[in-house]
Amino acid sequence: QQPVQSPQAVILREGEDAVINCSSSKALYSVHWYRQKHGEAPVFLMILLKGGEQKGHEKISASFNEKKQQSSLYLTASQLSYSGTYFCGTEYFATGFQKLVFGTGTRLLVSP
Amino acid sequence: NAGVTQTPKFQVLKTGQSMTLQCAQDMNHEYMSWYRQDPGMGLRLIHYSVGAGITDQGEVPNGYNVSRSTTEDFPLRLLSAAPSQTSVYFCASRRTGLETQYFGPGTRLLVL
Repeated sequence: QQPVQSPQAVILREGEDAVINCSSSKALYSVHWYRQKHGEAPVFLMILLKGGEQKGHEKISASFNEKKQQSSLYLTASQLSYSGTYFCGTEYFATGFQKLVFGTGTRLLVSP
Repeated sequence: NAGVTQTPKFQVLKTGQSMTLQCAQDMNHEYMSWYRQDPGMGLRLIHYSVGAGITDQGEVPNGYNVSRSTTEDFPLRLLSAAPSQTSVYFCASRRTGLETQYFGPGTRLLVL
């Protein structure tokens, strides 16, 4: 089941902050965040593991609420290069294997 | 390392034709997955594999077959193409669960 992302789209001016939310109905083992530029493949930003470990980007942070199965991505002091579509991926066990499914994405546009 | 490679980059099929989308990785990753991306639908998991000889269905498996005979390769077969399968297909791999996933460049498929 796909996680639910909000908002669907965000428009920012350079230097402003944004928060993208992701929630799942499944018991999660990890949350992944990716950014995709138009016409390109998604690129890894960050992974948050159950238990609190984070791996990823220097200038972008995220949180993972294991009790609520929710994650948020924090984009601070946005840059033009932050524009793109952000996807959260949620990892859970199904039929004995770890399955990684993605949300419908959040479009972010940063203008000068 | 070439990472995750996909062929072809673009393909046009007629309804009813069959074809195989190729995916290969040279990172010795156990986990490999196929996603399709359609406007407004995000990335949807088609099939995935957790090792050679082990595959499982994702969210939208109907109309697609997979097999995994080697660690490196994970082909996706369309048995009888339908216009609803027009999409961009991404292959992805990761070392194990709870690890960073790397995406291939994608295959654009148009079914007429």
